[in-house]
Amino acid sequence: SQTIHQWPATLVQPVGSPLSLECTVEGTSNPNLYWYRQAAGRGLQLLFYSIGIGQISSEVPQNLSASRPQDRQFILSSKKLLLSDSGFYLCAWSNRGARLSNSPLHFGNGTRLTVT
Amino acid sequence: AQSVTQLGSHVSVSEGALVLLRCNYSSSVPPYLFWYVQYPNQGLQLLLKYTTGATLVKGINGFEAEFKKSETSFHLTKPSAHMSDAAEYFCAVFTGGGNKLTFGTGTQLKVEL
Repeated sequence: SQTIHQWPATLVQPVGSPLSLECTVEGTSNPNLYWYRQAAGRGLQLLFYSIGIGQISSEVPQNLSASRPQDRQFILSSKKLLLSDSGFYLCAWSNRGARLSNSPLHFGNGTRLTVT
Repeated sequence: AQSVTQLGSHVSVSEGALVLLRCNYSSSVPPYLFWYVQYPNQGLQLLLKYTTGATLVKGINGFEAEFKKSETSFHLTKPSAHMSDAAEYFCAVFTGGGNKLTFGTGTQLKVEL
C-alpha cells in the first residue's frame, strides 16, 4: 500500500535561519507531488506541485523553494525564514497520469513550523 | 477560475443532531468537487467526491453530499452527529489546469453532548 512520510512533525526556527522539510512517498511510482501551507483561518494554499523529477511549478511568489531530487522525494526549503512562514505544511501525492477528478490527493500528517 | 466558498468557519451541533456544512462553487465548466476532513495535527482525508453521474454522493463515516447545479452548491450532511465527527472540513474543486485542487477556507465542526 502507498504511504507518505513527512518530517519533522514540529519545528521551531528563528527568523533568518534556513529550512528544509522532507516528504517521501512509498508504494507508488511517478506520483504528482504537492506542497500546501495551512495558516489559521486561511484554508490550504498550494505552494508548489511537481509532475516529475526536477519539474517544479510555483503557485505563489514567496520566500520558499521546492526541489524533487528523486521520483518519490519532495523537499521544501528556504534560505532565510520570515515570521510569516509560520504555519502547517502539508505534502500530498496523487497518481500520475490520472486526473484529480478520478485520483484524490493523499496527504501526509504535516509539519507545524513556528518561526520565532 | 474555479473556486469554492464555505459558509461558516465554525459550526456547532449537538450529538445526534443533523450536520450541515455548506459549500458553494464557482466554475465556468462542470466542476469536480471534493470534501476532505482534517483531525487535529493531521493531514487531510478524503470524505467523498463528485465527478459525474449521480448527484447524491455517499462518503465515509456516514457523510453524504448533493451536487445541485441550479444552486451551485455541494453541501455536506450527516443525519446524526457523533463526537468523533469533531474536526475541520474542507470543500475543494478540481482546477483542471495543472491537475490541482483549490480548497475552501474550512469549517470547524464542534459536537456537543
